[in-house]
Amino acid sequence: QVELQESGPGLVKPSQTLSLTCTVSGDSISSGGYYWGWIRQHPGKGLEWVAHIYYTGSTNYNPSLKSRVAISVDTSQNQFSLRLTSVTPADTAVYYCARLPITYIVFDSWGQGTLVTVSS
Amino acid sequence: EIVLTQSPGTLSLSPGERATLSCRASQSVSSRSLAWYQQKPGQAPRLLMYGASSRATGIPDRFSGSGSGTDFTLTISRLEPEDFVVYYCQQYGSSPYTFGQGTKLEVK
Repeated sequence: QVELQESGPGLVKPSQTLSLTCTVSGDSISSGGYYWGWIRQHPGKGLEWVAHIYYTGSTNYNPSLKSRVAISVDTSQNQFSLRLTSVTPADTAVYYCARLPITYIVFDSWGQGTLVTVSS
Repeated sequence: EIVLTQSPGTLSLSPGERATLSCRASQSVSSRSLAWYQQKPGQAPRLLMYGASSRATGIPDRFSGSGSGTDFTLTISRLEPEDFVVYYCQQYGSSPYTFGQGTKLEVK
């Protein structure tokens, strides 16, 4: 059974860069068959797809964030990462990493989520 | 961008009753590319349905989905106490992949 675990700072200052890593266990990112992605949820609000990546490095970004976001994968560590630049308090959210089958862009396994607060 | 509107915002029912949740898209969702998720407080969402009507692994058969085009429905045939949480729909027919704002199912 696949497990995903987010890690990274819980507090980021405005204008700085948010960096998160998702460590995958129970499945190999490089085995193919799945994308690996990030979703965020603003406090008390709905869900927003951020980006996803294939083990080859092929990426897909939400256009609303594309100018500030980068997703990358490290198959040797079985991890993938998110970087979001020039953050503002509007980027405060719970960030989830998730697995997506390549046949359906749905999120079939999720990490527990990590709250990132943007504040000075 | 496809906007998904879920209704009602809150649905008040009793255990054992039937729940019908609606998800309406601002434009047609191709190939019935619609999913439903359940989110319990303090937890990540859980995939319930995909392809509008296919249950995800381990989802009980009291959950069913239907619809096509712009109108989709999640039905819970006999509500169990653990079903009274929040439900989201998501379309994956076109990027950006978007979610509805959620329906909260509460005990009447």
